[in-house]
Amino acid sequence: DSGVTQTPKHLITATGQRVTLRCSPRSGDLSVYWYQQSLDQGLQFLIQYYNGEERAKGNILERFSAQQFPDLHSELNLSSLELGDSALYFCASSADGTAQETQYFGPGTRLLVL
Amino acid sequence: GNSVTQMEGPVTLSEEAFLTINCTYTATGYPSLFWYVQYPGEGLQLLLKATKADDKGSNKGFEATYRKETTSFHLEKGSVQVSDSAVYFCALSDRNDYKLSFGAGTTVTVRA
Repeated sequence: DSGVTQTPKHLITATGQRVTLRCSPRSGDLSVYWYQQSLDQGLQFLIQYYNGEERAKGNILERFSAQQFPDLHSELNLSSLELGDSALYFCASSADGTAQETQYFGPGTRLLVL
Repeated sequence: GNSVTQMEGPVTLSEEAFLTINCTYTATGYPSLFWYVQYPGEGLQLLLKATKADDKGSNKGFEATYRKETTSFHLEKGSVQVSDSAVYFCALSDRNDYKLSFGAGTTVTVRA
């Protein structure tokens, strides 16, 4: 158990809908990362937050947004969903968000868009 | 930009065989290197890491040495077990780009 929790574990929805994925980092970690894992793209970085502020952005679509709240939990919002958004979404956390640190991954949310 | 290339799988081995998974990288700075493992139906777990050249990371019988001259971080284990069946990801991050850049993953199956 990494100490990172993600809800829900599974999500099935229809095209055009909007969903929210939630992540709670390990106790004491200030940085949260979101990654998408799909068969065709592999593991792709989406976005990083540090202590409530956006720090880095990766291959995140404009239909996707995220935020980190004062209690440090984070939410990833996916809207106008398309079939191609079906994937496993991971949240990871680290203490200070620096390059040498280990990122601890949650169990993921499996999203299926029908 | 940063990138990681790792050997394609799948790799199928017998128990007690020697495992090696090749990983090479391209980075603009001085990266930290990681091996993560993903067991079926689970998230990613850190297996080992190395943060500077010539460092050796080790854990659970796995080893990898950070080779700056060959830009490599190959994963090895001398005697695999059925429980080592998983997908292995090589990854890097550097001080200019804190995110993890992952290789494509190598699926390893160990048969009894």
